[in-house]
Amino acid sequence: AQSVAQPEDQVNVAEGNPLTVKCTYSVSGNPYLFWYVQYPNRGLQFLLKYITGDNLVKGSYGFEAEFNKSQTSFHLKKPSALVSDSALYFCAVRDITGANNLFFGTGTRLTVIP
Amino acid sequence: EAGVTQFPSHSVIEKGQTVTLRCDPISGHDNLYWYRRVMGKEIKFLLHFVKESKQDESGMPNNRFLAERTGGTYSTLKVQPAELEDSGVYFCASSQNSGKNSPLHFGNGTRLTVT
Repeated sequence: AQSVAQPEDQVNVAEGNPLTVKCTYSVSGNPYLFWYVQYPNRGLQFLLKYITGDNLVKGSYGFEAEFNKSQTSFHLKKPSALVSDSALYFCAVRDITGANNLFFGTGTRLTVIP
Repeated sequence: EAGVTQFPSHSVIEKGQTVTLRCDPISGHDNLYWYRRVMGKEIKFLLHFVKESKQDESGMPNNRFLAERTGGTYSTLKVQPAELEDSGVYFCASSQNSGKNSPLHFGNGTRLTVT
């Protein structure tokens, strides 16, 4: 069975500080991993993905994420948070050998404090 | 290019009524997905179309939900009769190919409230 856990419902960080949004996953086979962001009254926007290769992937708006197979994690990071980064972040996984649909976490609300 | 569009953006109906949600995918995208997020919970898969065919409908909660994609273009999701637990945000997404490394493009969602 496939699942995603985002242990923090809410993350607060001061503007200019580094941010981390945590994600762990469970799949039977190898994972494809994704991060999406949802701004108020908008749909989900794709941020970045891990397919294969380098464990550190870079995406839109200065975000990056590190794939850690031993810890089954794919935490989202940014070196310096902006107020405009405040949004709802979703981690998602696909099993390479499984169904085509994405499995999402419950989301983490990031608030960047000026 | 135009993104995935969903209509309506909000819908408030009474229990027992019928509601139809519409999704227009990005032009040329054969793959169309429906997802739902109930308040505070994860976004859950409902079903997947490839063109006009249902590829996977394992996430459809029960037979009160009917999805169609006639002609392989836009899709509708009908809930009949609606129940209180159907409230949530319904997202539609599309992708050009079925590759599992392809990200999905999401619409803004339809917020359904059943009272």
